[in-house]
Amino acid sequence: GAVVSQHPSWVICKSGTSVKIECRSLDFQATTMFWYRQFPKQSLMLMATSNEGSKATYEQGVEKDKFLINHASLTLSTLTVTSAHPEDSSFYICSARDSLRADTQYFGPGTRLTVL
Amino acid sequence: QKEVEQDPGPLSVPEGAIVSLNCTYSNSAFQYFMWYRQYSRKGPELLMYTYSSGNKEDGRFTAQVDKSSKYISLFIRDSQPSDSATYLCAMSSSNTGKLIFGQGTTLQVKP
Repeated sequence: GAVVSQHPSWVICKSGTSVKIECRSLDFQATTMFWYRQFPKQSLMLMATSNEGSKATYEQGVEKDKFLINHASLTLSTLTVTSAHPEDSSFYICSARDSLRADTQYFGPGTRLTVL
Repeated sequence: QKEVEQDPGPLSVPEGAIVSLNCTYSNSAFQYFMWYRQYSRKGPELLMYTYSSGNKEDGRFTAQVDKSSKYISLFIRDSQPSDSATYLCAMSSSNTGKLIFGQGTTLQVKP
């Protein structure tokens, strides 16, 4: 089956530092990847859509300068949380859309970010 | 009004019970309907995928879509303690691939 990995699985950082999270599709190509944020006991909130070779599309209310997204290849997208603050602490999850089955998304295991 | 409504539960059932999970939606453009299972502190796992209306069965899981009523269901037969998780419905019109999620229903299956 389709596998999506994320790295790191958890990270703790100091306020003001930047954190990069990687999302990889391991056995399929993904022209489109999505980044979500999930708070405890809440559903997934779409942050942005990442398209290979082009700029990401951000959802309303999401700061593009705060959450930098790069989708440099068909199997890798990165999310960088710049100048992180405690309110950025959350569970970040990526998903990848199979280029051959555009209607299906596969999710990564998530990255738990804690900003002290 | 949210685009997708899902009762958050929690829902507690005894082992072996039939579980019914439901979502309603308001956007008639939705064509693709999915159910995801999410264990605590893990990413969602795709369980069932259905296009347009109809039923789909996979093992103990059955997904139903009624587009006329804007209502989808997931049935779990012979529920097991390992089914204890949060179940998220998700929908897409496919133009952008963006998924709209329900709030998720927390299910606990007691041995």
